[in-house]
Parts: sequence; structure tokens; C-alpha cells
Amino acid sequence: KNQVEQSPQSLIILEGKNCTLQCNYTVSPFSNLRWYKQDTGRGPVSLTIMTFSENTKSNGRYTATLDADTKQSSLHITASQLSDSASYICVVRSWGKLQFGAGTQVVVTP
Amino acid sequence: AAGVIQSPRHLIKEKRETATLKCYPIPRHDTVYWYQQGPGQDPQFLISFYEKMQSDKGSIPDRFSAQQFSDYHSELNMSSLELGDSALYFCASSSSGRGDTQYFGPGTRLTVL
Repeated sequence: KNQVEQSPQSLIILEGKNCTLQCNYTVSPFSNLRWYKQDTGRGPVSLTIMTFSENTKSNGRYTATLDADTKQSSLHITASQLSDSASYICVVRSWGKLQFGAGTQVVVTP
Repeated sequence: AAGVIQSPRHLIKEKRETATLKCYPIPRHDTVYWYQQGPGQDPQFLISFYEKMQSDKGSIPDRFSAQQFSDYHSELNMSSLELGDSALYFCASSSSGRGDTQYFGPGTRLTVL
């Protein structure tokens, strides 16, 4: 079983709307959690990185939250744009290794 | 350079006794981690502390407890010892708990008879 699970698998939203992606992990020990955006055919780009002492972190229209007690994180996209169409990947660092979620495919439609 | 210090290095106890392992992190490191490594096994994460607060919890049995003190040293208390608790117990420390490299101590070898 994957130690980093993301939901939903895919999401279609209208331009201008908000959406929230979920990441639940069982990885231990926990060092940090990152959200990446990966456009089709390109490498992932880091959006946020959080340690257990950080509850929320923003990067423009992207806001990530972390609850280290329940081992849950979310990525909120505000006022989505067509360029937000991509795969969003949750990555948890533990024991010097990175554990990857399967990603959520977001499609923003006009 | 100073490294992580663990004491004692070796400890022999009988079943149902208690044991206390100590860990002194590298100076200015504020996070400590405890691991248990059984014979022929990978280290298993037990528990970690950041700034004297528990920051993460792994497979630590209820019979075990740990804490981090104001000088950042940590103690792992083990009660009602069982034969299966015989293992090498590692302590590691890191800086700021921000995913920095963990530096491991030499370990305490606990033997329960």
C-alpha cells in the first residue's frame, strides 16, 4: 500500500473556481511535505514545502495546509486559471528518502 | 567535531526490569530521533522530539516512553522489558527539525536476559 495517498485522482473545474486536493500519508518519521506541479511533458516544479511545525504555506494562488497529527495535507487552488491544468504531486520526505503520491490530475476548462 | 553521544553503550537487563537510555545531541541540534534495530533488521523509527516536544511517533511500544529535556538531551525509558526488546538503539540528532541530515550516535546495545 502506498504510504502517500492523494485524492481525487482527477478533477475538472471551471476557470475561476477554487478547488482543494488532498494528501494523506502514513510515512514515518516525517521530515517535510512538498507539493509539486507537473505540466505535461515537463519536470515537476515545487510549489510549497512544509515541516511539521508549519500549518499553512502559500505560494500565490496556491495554499497548502498540513496537520502533522492526523498526517493530512491539502493544496487549495484559488481562482483557477487555464495554466493550472497539470498533475499535482504530494511528496513526503522520510528517512532520507522521498515517498511520492500518485498525483491528482487537474483540468481547468474555460 | 562533536558527535551524538549515547550512554550506556552496552546494557544487560533481565525480563520485566526497566532501562533508561540517554542521548546527547550534537551541540545546537534541537531535534532527536530514536530508532530500534533488531538483529538482521532495518532500523525502526520509534519517536522524535523537536524543541522538547514530541514531533513524530513511530512504532514505539506503550511500555516505552521518552522525553527531551531543556538541554536538548533525550532519554528513552523502557519498562517491563521483554526478550524481544534486545536490540541496538540508535539516537540521531538534526538541526531545526527541517529535514536536515540526521547524525547518528554509536548506539546502545540492550540485551534482555
